[in-house]
Amino acid sequence: SAVISQKPSRDICQRGTSLTIQCQVDSQVTMMFWYRQQPGQSLTLIATANQGSEATYESGFVIDKFPISRPNLTFSTLTVSNMSPEDSSIYLCSVSGSGYEQYFGPGTRLTVT
Amino acid sequence: AQKITQTQPGMFVQEKEAVTLDCTYDTSDPSYGLFWYKQPSSGEMIFLIYQGSYDQQNATEGRYSLNFQKARKSANLVISASQLGDSAMYFCAMRTSYSGGFKTIFGAGTRLFVKA
Repeated sequence: SAVISQKPSRDICQRGTSLTIQCQVDSQVTMMFWYRQQPGQSLTLIATANQGSEATYESGFVIDKFPISRPNLTFSTLTVSNMSPEDSSIYLCSVSGSGYEQYFGPGTRLTVT
Repeated sequence: AQKITQTQPGMFVQEKEAVTLDCTYDTSDPSYGLFWYKQPSSGEMIFLIYQGSYDQQNATEGRYSLNFQKARKSANLVISASQLGDSAMYFCAMRTSYSGGFKTIFGAGTRLFVKA
């Protein structure tokens, strides 16, 4: 199994600012995913981040708003740019295992005021 | 288009009884995987069970079983002998592949309440 840590665990930010969320995995993984979970809602896939290539964004998410870096096989960052209160969510990092397994980090709880 | 549907926003079950959480899916891919996750109030995502589209047998993991009906495109989760600790949000999810890899999408979820 993979152990995933995220930093920060939570933050309160002012609108118009940006926050970068870090995701660290204890083993090398090919595919990393970023999800958003708005209050009381399900998980929505933001993008898939493969090492060595640009992230693939889902419909409704754009690189200017959610730039992603994937410098190596154990680390990724997601930036939430020019934040508004609508960005208040839990952001989760997820990785795929060697088989069908998919593991999730503890999440970053973001509140935008 | 890929889609996962959970039509039960909330379910109640008496402790020690069995409960079925419904999930239907839509995909044109012949190869896909179906998952169930549990999310307690702490927020962590706990993997429960997995079913591959080519698996002949229904998946089972302890008290969890997945009732996979491929022709009906349904993948219902059955929890036997419910416990108070089963009270949580439950998400059905589907993994499909594309040229660049694969991705997993989630249903809206069902909140399960277990009564003592």
